[in-house]
Amino acid sequence: DQQVKQNSPSLSVQEGRISILNCDYTNSMFDYFLWYKKYPAEGPTFLISISSIKDKNEDGRFTVFLNKSAKHLSLHIVPSQPGDSAVYFCAASVSGSQGNLIFGKGTKLSVKP
Amino acid sequence: KAGVTQTPRYLIKTRGQQVTLSCSPISGHRSVSWYQQTPGQGLQFLFEYFSETQRNKGNFPGRFSGRQFSNSRSEMNVSTLELGDSALYLCASSLVVAADYEQYFGPGTRLTVT
Repeated sequence: DQQVKQNSPSLSVQEGRISILNCDYTNSMFDYFLWYKKYPAEGPTFLISISSIKDKNEDGRFTVFLNKSAKHLSLHIVPSQPGDSAVYFCAASVSGSQGNLIFGKGTKLSVKP
Repeated sequence: KAGVTQTPRYLIKTRGQQVTLSCSPISGHRSVSWYQQTPGQGLQFLFEYFSETQRNKGNFPGRFSGRQFSNSRSEMNVSTLELGDSALYLCASSLVVAADYEQYFGPGTRLTVT
């Protein structure tokens, strides 16, 4: 049973526009959420994280929103750039087991010039 | 600061053999986690080591084991390899300070079992 779900396998966006990647989770014990970007043949690269005590966290062009009641989080990339084209993974963990990240299956983002 | 390094990067083994993969964490990081990535199952947690002790373990058979040394370097071992063990094995390290628990990944070891 998937505890972290990324229901869109792919997303295509025009350069300069906003990219919105979504993630849903089922385990209400999750209290820390992360987004990673992954290029082929490389390990995931950490992008941004958010604790369950917050509902928003910003870092440059990346903003993560957390809606605990809906068990939903999203990653906004503004403006999108061709170099953002990669697979994006949402991950979650439980306090006390932060070393165990539960990953979604990923969303492949393509940013077209 | 150097990132997480993993050796070897690529490995080809035969069914029934065993394999050892190595991971050197970012300097100062004491937690090391291992993950398996396959096209069908995605990224799955294997185990986490902190201060030479296994702290968490995922749902993998006992053929998968690991250890951590006093310098935080970690190894994972897979015995009696099966075709289904072909995957990208990723290691990640963390600083483990309060809420700062972001994991930083190495490039992975691509294991092919024939």
